[in-house]
Amino acid sequence: DTAVSQTPKYLVTQMGNDKSIKCEQNLGHDTMYWYKQDSKKFLKIMFSYNNKELIINETVPNRFSPKSPDKAHLNLHINSLELGDSAVYFCASSRGRAGGYTFGSGTRLTVV
Amino acid sequence: AQKITQTQPGMFVQEKEAVTLDCTYDTSDPSYGLFWYKQPSSGEMIFLIYQGSYDQQNATEGRYSLNFQKARKSANLVISASQLGDSAMYFCAMREANTGTASKLTFGTGTRLQVTL
Repeated sequence: DTAVSQTPKYLVTQMGNDKSIKCEQNLGHDTMYWYKQDSKKFLKIMFSYNNKELIINETVPNRFSPKSPDKAHLNLHINSLELGDSAVYFCASSRGRAGGYTFGSGTRLTVV
Repeated sequence: AQKITQTQPGMFVQEKEAVTLDCTYDTSDPSYGLFWYKQPSSGEMIFLIYQGSYDQQNATEGRYSLNFQKARKSANLVISASQLGDSAMYFCAMREANTGTASKLTFGTGTRLQVTL
C-alpha cells in the first residue's frame, strides 16, 4: 500500500563496512531520486534515475553507487562507510519533469 | 549563490493564529515550480502545496496557502488557524525545468515552527 518504501528504516554500522539501502515505488513513476539530509536538516540531492538511466550525479563520492534494476526500484550501496556518512537518506520518485514528488520515510544511517 | 532562502530558522505561533513562513528563490529559468514540505519529528517528508511559475492564482490547499509574488521571487507559506500538530520543520523547494530529463528539487534550510497553547 505504501507509495515509496525504503528499507531499512534504521541502520547502525561500523566504519569501513559496506551497506545497502533499498527503495521501491508502486506509483508508476519513471524517475527516482536519492537525497541526503545532514545533521542540520539540510536536504541535498545525490542521484536521480529516469527509466533506469542515471541522470543526475551530484559530485557524490565514488563509495556511493546507486543501482536501478527497473524503474520501480532504486537501491543505494555505500562502500567503506565513514563517520561523515551518518545522515538520513530519503528516496523519492516523480512522474517525469512536471510531476509532484513523493518521498519515502527515510533511512537513518549511523556510522560508529 | 543560494537558490532557495528561508531566513527564519525558528518561528513560534499561538494555536488558532495564522503564521507566514518566508521563502525567496533565485532562478533565471522562466519555467519552475515551488513546493512546500512539512517534516514532523517522526521524520517523513509530507507534501503540502505546489505553485507553478505560470500559475495565475496563488495555490491553496485547505489551511495552507502560498503567497506567490513572482516579481519579488518570493513564495511564502501561510498556515491559517494553527494547530498543535503543525509543529514541525517546513521546507521550501524549487524545481527548475531546464535541468534535463529528471528535474531535481533544491531545498531551503528549513524553518522550525512551534505552535503553542
